[in-house]
Amino acid sequence: EAQVTQNPRYLITVTGKKLTVTCSQNMNHEYMSWYRQDPGLGLRQIYYSMNVEVTDKGDVPEGYKVSRKEKRNFPLILESPSPNQTSLYFCASSLVASGRNEQFFGPGTRLTVL
Amino acid sequence: GENVEQHPSTLSVQEGDSAVIKCTYSDSASNYFPWYKQELGKRPQLIIDIRSNVGEKKDQRIAVTLNKTAKHFSLHITETQPEDSAVYFCAARDTGNQFYFGTGTSLTVIP
Repeated sequence: EAQVTQNPRYLITVTGKKLTVTCSQNMNHEYMSWYRQDPGLGLRQIYYSMNVEVTDKGDVPEGYKVSRKEKRNFPLILESPSPNQTSLYFCASSLVASGRNEQFFGPGTRLTVL
Repeated sequence: GENVEQHPSTLSVQEGDSAVIKCTYSDSASNYFPWYKQELGKRPQLIIDIRSNVGEKKDQRIAVTLNKTAKHFSLHITETQPEDSAVYFCAARDTGNQFYFGTGTSLTVIP
């Protein structure tokens, strides 16, 4: 089954404790992206990657890191989480070809930083 | 950078009526405009999209129109049904492949 998976789905942590949210897709998509969703603010792009070893900052990259060492994986790293990073996080992937560029979203990770 | 504004933030319609959601964007070079539907507790899912070289696209009860000159695009849902109730997001992709989303419209279809 074609899908985007994220782990963990729920996480409660404390300020300053490093964490990683994993994202994996099995559709051989070149493009992968991380978003955070906050009430009233919609979805905001954190980082995106056009292909392996290529990453770019989105609209709200501060406090986050990513890596793209393999095509299928795009982990989101919070080196020192703070309460303002409490949010719902979505990973997404898509083809880069010039045709339809539908992004497929993962199920989401709800992060609470105390 | 790009700025996408979406209106209205909430919309209630009677079942069978039409619903229209409007978005404006600021970067005239943006080239791809998707619309996503997000049901409560679920992930966003693409419902329709349009590229900058097309003015209108239709898929059954859903249509999107794009006015490049005015830099706005709209989602039209006809013959609304209760299962259309959800939050809808518009988005724009710039030439650097970065996506910018609107703040969402909560649509309620009243049976």
